[in-house]
Amino acid sequence: AQSVAQPEDQVNVAEGNPLTVKCTYSVSGNPYLFWYVQYPNRGLQFLLKYITGDNLVKGSYGFEAEFNKSQTSFHLKKPSALVSDSALYFCAVREGTDKLIFGTGTRLQVFP
Amino acid sequence: ETGVTQTPRHLVMGMTNKKSLKCEQHLGHNAMYWYKQSAKKPLELMFVYSLEERVENNSVPSRFSPECPNSSHLFLHLHTLQPEDSALYLCASSHDARLAPTEQYFGPGTRLTVT
Repeated sequence: AQSVAQPEDQVNVAEGNPLTVKCTYSVSGNPYLFWYVQYPNRGLQFLLKYITGDNLVKGSYGFEAEFNKSQTSFHLKKPSALVSDSALYFCAVREGTDKLIFGTGTRLQVFP
Repeated sequence: ETGVTQTPRHLVMGMTNKKSLKCEQHLGHNAMYWYKQSAKKPLELMFVYSLEERVENNSVPSRFSPECPNSSHLFLHLHTLQPEDSALYLCASSHDARLAPTEQYFGPGTRLTVT
């Protein structure tokens, strides 16, 4: 079975500093990986995905993620954090054709 | 987020009530999903419909009954729920994922409280 792990429950970063939210995966076959963000009292919003091709994937709101096959990681990054980036971030991997398996989420807190 | 709407946004129901959650997508997708989000737990996939046919049911208790009358609408009928069913119920839609890996788009959720 496919799985993802988000090792950090919370990440704190100062506004303007770079941020990284970690995700590692375990799959059989090709990994199809996704990042989503959830703001309070809202549903999940799609940020970016890795299917194939370049290891650096660019997404919405200035976020990007780096796919690393040797380390089985798909970390989410942003060069300069904003207070408005504070939210809950989920990594997900596709299983089968219809199912997304989500991690437990990482709460990002950006301090002014 | 306006592409997938859910009603009601909040629902409080007793254990003997019957209620329904509604989801509508305006994105031209042909697959729809119900998820349950509980505090400190990963999102749990409950049901998947593709081309209006249920393709997956993750061993969900029968007190939850989905209905997909067309590719734009999805319902979750609730009856004789338990307090542990209190959670945020999220609807999502996507293009048919059997054709190619594709992202899902989520609604804002219904916050359900069972008393």
